[in-house]
Amino acid sequence: KQEVTQIPAALSVPEGENLVLNCSFTDSAIYNLQWFRQDPGKGLTSLLLIQSSQREQTSGRLNASLDKSSGRSTLYIAASQPGDSATYLCAVHISNFGNEKLTFGTGTRLTIIP
Amino acid sequence: DTGVSQDPRHKITKRGQNVTFRCDPISEHNRLYWYRQTLGQGPEFLTYFQNEAQLEKSRLLSDRFSAERPKGSFSTLEIQRTEQGDSAMYLCASSPGRRGNEKLFFGSGTQLSVL
Repeated sequence: KQEVTQIPAALSVPEGENLVLNCSFTDSAIYNLQWFRQDPGKGLTSLLLIQSSQREQTSGRLNASLDKSSGRSTLYIAASQPGDSATYLCAVHISNFGNEKLTFGTGTRLTIIP
Repeated sequence: DTGVSQDPRHKITKRGQNVTFRCDPISEHNRLYWYRQTLGQGPEFLTYFQNEAQLEKSRLLSDRFSAERPKGSFSTLEIQRTEQGDSAMYLCASSPGRRGNEKLFFGSGTQLSVL
């Protein structure tokens, strides 16, 4: 059974700092990995999707990396801003044909201090 | 692209009542998913549709839960005889359903409170 872990559960950093969020998964046979952002009481917004054949994806100040063999992904946020405050979740899509669900971690709650 | 729409945003009900939620996916998205999220946890998969066919159901989806997607457009999720343990955010998501393009687009969710 695939398990996804995100550490730390919460993180506070001053505005302007670069930061890294971590995600680990137990079964390396994944099809892709996605990073999402969730604001309080709201749905999820997809930030980046990395296919299993890729090592990283970038979008603006965000960069996500994937190391399948070690079961790890990181989300790097450059020059953090107060608007980046949210919960960040990673989710993996496993490779079994016909199994289309995502397995989510419990998220990292990020607070950017102005 | 108007996004994924869910209705209602909030639902308060008494234990034992039936509730129904609606989800309108992004048009031309073939896949539609239902997830459930409790406070401090990541979303848990409930079920998904490819067009009008319900292809996978989680063991979390007891016989009190039923989902439909008539005509492959909007979907409804019904919970019968609600229990306090059903209190959660119910999230709907859609995706184009093509290999290589599996990005999920989520709605804002329906927050269910069972008293």
